[in-house]
Amino acid sequence: SQKIEQNSEALNIQEGKTATLTCNYTNYSPAYLQWYRQDPGRGPVFLLLIRENEKEKRKERLKVTFDTTLKQSLFHITASQPADSATYLCALPTSGTYKYIFGTGTRLKVLA
Amino acid sequence: EAGVAQSPRYKIIEKRQSVAFWCNPISGHATLYWYQQILGQGPKLLIQFQNNGVVDDSQLPKDRFSAERLKGVDSTLKIQPAKLEDSAVYLCASSFQTLAGAADTQYFGPGTRLTVL
Repeated sequence: SQKIEQNSEALNIQEGKTATLTCNYTNYSPAYLQWYRQDPGRGPVFLLLIRENEKEKRKERLKVTFDTTLKQSLFHITASQPADSATYLCALPTSGTYKYIFGTGTRLKVLA
Repeated sequence: EAGVAQSPRYKIIEKRQSVAFWCNPISGHATLYWYQQILGQGPKLLIQFQNNGVVDDSQLPKDRFSAERLKGVDSTLKIQPAKLEDSAVYLCASSFQTLAGAADTQYFGPGTRLTVL
């Protein structure tokens, strides 16, 4: 069955450093992948979408890579700030259907 | 533009009781999703509507959960009877895309936190 794995352990980093979060998937090849941010008590908010023919995508301090050979996406936040502290979720469309599956999310804490 | 609205924000019920959640998607969005998010996990899709038709409900426990989207706009999700394991946040999301399977951005509501005692 199709699976997504994100590091369930929280990631603590110092302000100003680059945070790197990982999303691994198995047993299928999605045409695209999305990253969302979720703050406590709120619904997820869309950040970036990257397609299988794109190696990298950037938006301000965010960068996403998509390696279809490794079946992995990396999500980077450069010059991190305490306001970046949140849970980050990756989501992929399932093969042959129209629904998305989400990873468990990785909680990021940026220390001032 | 107004976001996805959900109500209530919080609900506490006893097991075996029934409960209903309401969702008003972003105006013009054809696709509406209901997700269940258990603490520490990612959202799990329960049901997906495109306009007022069901696209996917394969993970909806149909013996106790039901959902409808009348006139292709608002939607309600009902649980009857509730079990302890139904304690979770129920998220509603909508997207503009009218073509099923196309890449799309989902806009989420704030969710309803359900506690079953």
